[in-house]
Amino acid sequence: EDQVTQSPEALRLQEGESSSLNCSYTVSGLRGLFWYRQDPGKGPEFLFTLYSAGEEKEKERLKATLTKKESFLHITAPKPEDSATYLCAVQGVTGFQKLVFGTGTRLLVSP
Amino acid sequence: GAGVSQSPRYKVAKRGQDVALRCDPISGHVSLFWYQQALGQGPEFLTYFQNEAQLDKSGLPSDRFFAERPEGSVSTLKIQRTQQEDSAVYLCASGSPGQGNTIYFGEGSWLTVV
Repeated sequence: EDQVTQSPEALRLQEGESSSLNCSYTVSGLRGLFWYRQDPGKGPEFLFTLYSAGEEKEKERLKATLTKKESFLHITAPKPEDSATYLCAVQGVTGFQKLVFGTGTRLLVSP
Repeated sequence: GAGVSQSPRYKVAKRGQDVALRCDPISGHVSLFWYQQALGQGPEFLTYFQNEAQLDKSGLPSDRFFAERPEGSVSTLKIQRTQQEDSAVYLCASGSPGQGNTIYFGEGSWLTVV
């Protein structure tokens, strides 16, 4: 069974204080690993898809990396508007396009 | 439309009442998913459609839950005889194989059963 574990559950940073969020996964065969951002009362907003170990993608202050067992979401010099819950999900080669999600990391960036 | 549209955004149902939640996916997307998200948790898979065919309904928690997509576009999730444990956000998502398997979510329908 595909599984995703995210850590930490919650993270509090000062504005400008860089850090990383972790996503550990087990999957029968990886079709893709996805990062989403979710604001309170909203649906998940797509950030990145990673397909193979060694791949990296960047968007503004965010950079996602992938190994065979985990993915990291690096946040460089965060701003208060980066405060949100960050969700990681895997899509296996079985189960059509179904995503299996972790429970998320709640990030709070203080000014 | 530009994004996945869901209605109603908020629904309060009395225990035992039937509810219907609507999803209008991104135009042209063949894949459609329903997820359930409890407070403080990640989304949990309920069911998957490819066009009008329901190919996976393994996540539906009981036979009170039913989903359909009769013309391969709009989908409806129906919950019969609602119970308090059904209170959650119901998220609809759509995707297209030509877009790298990326799945885009709507804002969700918040269901509270009292």
